[in-house]
Amino acid sequence: DTGVSQDPRHKITKRGQNVTFRCDPISEHNRLYWYRQTLGQGPEFLTYFQNEAQLEKSRLLSDRFSAERPKGSFSTLEIQRTEQGDSAMYLCASSLFPGPSYEQYFGPGTRLTVT
Amino acid sequence: RKEVEQDPGPFNVPEGATVAFNCTYSNSASQSFFWYRQDCRKEPKLLMSVYSSGNEDGRFTAQLNRASQYISLLIRDSKLSDSATYLCVVNIGTGNQFYFGTGTSLTVIP
Repeated sequence: DTGVSQDPRHKITKRGQNVTFRCDPISEHNRLYWYRQTLGQGPEFLTYFQNEAQLEKSRLLSDRFSAERPKGSFSTLEIQRTEQGDSAMYLCASSLFPGPSYEQYFGPGTRLTVT
Repeated sequence: RKEVEQDPGPFNVPEGATVAFNCTYSNSASQSFFWYRQDCRKEPKLLMSVYSSGNEDGRFTAQLNRASQYISLLIRDSKLSDSATYLCVVNIGTGNQFYFGTGTSLTVIP
């Protein structure tokens, strides 16, 4: 399967713990995006990378969130001192830039539950 | 004001019906437009890009009206398998930040 993959698919953690998620994009895609989605809402942009450079971060991304893409391939999203409000689906997407359009392809997501 | 607004529905239509969804966007500098489909508890999947001249893919037709800042999706001859949430997506600029609507829920009834 050459699509976007994410690990883990599900994570249950206690409030105050740190969690880290991984995303492996489509291999030839140089852009990688992180989104958060809660029930009944569309995905909300968190941050994106072009190769290894983090080019933009949303105001939604508090200081407890950090993302890396050290070699321009896979990316990690870490949440420190988790709060119940962090419970959501975390989606990763990738795209090729420049390209004929800016279509993004999503991974299956990591569902985080903070108890 | 939200960047992208959609009627959340739900739309419940019988098999074979034609259904249309609209989406409005607030930033006139928006450059790229898409419709994504999302099944329950799954990731969004690209349905189609929306081009200025309008485009069609089988039973699906997408249109863009830049003057009024809305895009539409028409589904003809609805199938049970079309039941899903349809997300309107707008990109402002050069593929950096994408704004998603809240989605429109469609249920096709036998």
